[in-house]
Order: sequence, then structure tokens, then C-alpha cells
Amino acid sequence: QKEVEQDPGPLSVPEGAIVSLNCTYSNSAFQYFMWYRQYSRKGPELLMYTYSSGNKEDGRFTAQVDKSSKYISLFIRDSQPSDSATYLCAMSGETQGAQKLVFGQGTRLTINP
Amino acid sequence: DGGITQSPKYLFRKEGQNVTLSCEQNLNHDAMYWYRQDPGQGLRLIYYSQIVNDFQKGDIAEGYSVSREKKESFPLTVTSAQKNPTAFYLCASSIRGTGVLEQYFGPGTRLTVT
Repeated sequence: QKEVEQDPGPLSVPEGAIVSLNCTYSNSAFQYFMWYRQYSRKGPELLMYTYSSGNKEDGRFTAQVDKSSKYISLFIRDSQPSDSATYLCAMSGETQGAQKLVFGQGTRLTINP
Repeated sequence: DGGITQSPKYLFRKEGQNVTLSCEQNLNHDAMYWYRQDPGQGLRLIYYSQIVNDFQKGDIAEGYSVSREKKESFPLTVTSAQKNPTAFYLCASSIRGTGVLEQYFGPGTRLTVT
């Protein structure tokens, strides 16, 4: 069993829809939860991060963490064609030095105009 | 402009040859990382380095080697011992400290071995 599981999709939705992306994990030591966005043939870029449980909102993006269920989500409101990318969840329990991230498989998202 | 550069963007090699992928950063970051990305498998950590002249194995280090002689540079050598070297290789860097450390990624090198 992988430490982090993410539905690889692909996921295709119409412009303006609400998108829900999810990851589950098995390691209770994870404390930091991140979402990276990766455009085709590019390196990932950090979109949002959350520490421990709770919600965090940034514009059209909301990240949720439920540590009791070992489940995290990223919601995208009013989705735009420019949101089309692969979204990777990442997690870490490290608190010192180099941060070892464990990534999910990534979900490929397409927003159709 | 600060950032991470990886070269070349595409690399082709014959089986049995060693190949070195370049990674340079001008962000003044202490920590650097190498990941491998395969379809449907996300990113897997190969090696990482917290300071110059020091590095640690990640989850899939077999068949790879690295060096960290300068703070700005962290080259990765894919040796002939790596059984499935064809992949997309990503280099990243971050500051060294505690808490959430944003990793900045380079544009990647796509290696094809035939």
C-alpha cells in the first residue's frame, strides 16, 4: 500500500464548475499537507499548504485536511481553463533540515471552455 | 531572475551508458533534491542534500549517484546499473529550517534510454 493515494483521473469538467481533488494517506506522522500544480512539461509549483487539520482558503482555492480520516482535499471554485494541469498532493512529517515530501500520483485536470 | 535551471531539457542515451543531469540554482538555498516522475506514480525522491559536501539517499537511490561540491549545483548521474532509467527528472531546492519549506522545482529533464 502506498503512503499517499491520489486518484490519477483524468478529470474533465466544464468551465465554472467546482472541482474537488482528494488524497488519502496512511502515515499518522504527516503534519504538513501541500498541493502542487504542474503544467504540462513543467516543474511543479506550490499552490497551497496546510499544517495539521483544518481549512485554508486562497482566492478560488480551498484546502481541507481531516487528520482523523487521513484525508485531504483541494477545492477549486469557478474553475478556469487556465486551471488545467496536474495537481499533486504532498505530505511531510519532517520538521528539521531538508524536507522529505511524499507525493501522491497526481490528478490530471482539464477545464473545458 | 532567481530560479533553478536544468539542462538539457531532453536527453537521449544508449543502454549501458552513464549520463549526468545538470541542476543549478541561484536562490541561495541550502537544500537540494532530485526526484523522478513516471506516469501514474507521482514524484519519487532519489537523493537530497542539506548542505555542501553532504547528501542522503532517498527512496529510490539505487543506480544513481550525486555530488554536492558547490551550494549552487547538485548534478545527478544515472548509471548503467539503473534498470529503468527512462523518466522525467526534476531537481528542486529549498531553504533549510523547520516547518513547511517550499520546494522550488526546475523545468525538468526528460531522459530516454534505448
